[in-house]
Amino acid sequence: NAGVTQTPKFRVLKTGQSMTLLCAQDMNHEYMYWYRQDPGMGLRLIHYSVGEGTTAKGEVPDGYNVSRLKKQNFLLGLESAAPSQTSVYFCASRPVATNEKLFFGSGTQLSVL
Amino acid sequence: AQSVSQHNHHVILSEAASLELGCNYSYGGTVNLFWYVQYPGQHLQLLLKYFSGDPLVKGIKGFEAEFIKSKFSFNLRKPSVQWSDTAEYFCAVSLTGGGNKLTFGTGTQLKVEL
Repeated sequence: NAGVTQTPKFRVLKTGQSMTLLCAQDMNHEYMYWYRQDPGMGLRLIHYSVGEGTTAKGEVPDGYNVSRLKKQNFLLGLESAAPSQTSVYFCASRPVATNEKLFFGSGTQLSVL
Repeated sequence: AQSVSQHNHHVILSEAASLELGCNYSYGGTVNLFWYVQYPGQHLQLLLKYFSGDPLVKGIKGFEAEFIKSKFSFNLRKPSVQWSDTAEYFCAVSLTGGGNKLTFGTGTQLKVEL
């Protein structure tokens, strides 16, 4: 059982380049989330999805787009990367019940030069 | 919108010392409360959670937390820390029936010295 898988694990971009981070879960979870983790700021929610074909903005959505075309996949896109988007990105998923824990992926370290 | 405050950003303890990490949240409704831990180089793992019932909850590795509704607090405790508890600890809150989003605190970096 793979759980939550994120690809790639590391990436270096130049300012203005675009890329897509892929998150895949094999637990049939309805809810999926993208967080970014920055020193001293904890985890901040970028976007989330409560089901296939639905997405919603979190705390820090600017500069990011997402898509949930398939239930098991949640894609995070950066159309024009900026140095401020240098961060560690975590994907998470969980079942419908609100008292269930989040299952996290292992993270993507992104550096924008 | 709910918010979560962790006032201790860095804590250094010697092995066998007792630990208490503070967590306060701002929301007047019914909440679900969590503590997650992130060991160096790893992703977040759930330590414990509270959603109803006994306000004193016990988690893995000897950790416990107490929900005090009147103080909007959910402090994490451990009677005797070990070197292997060195990690970053995050408090998180989600609203019952609303949004299903988890809001995290800024984290507390714990270092346990031998």
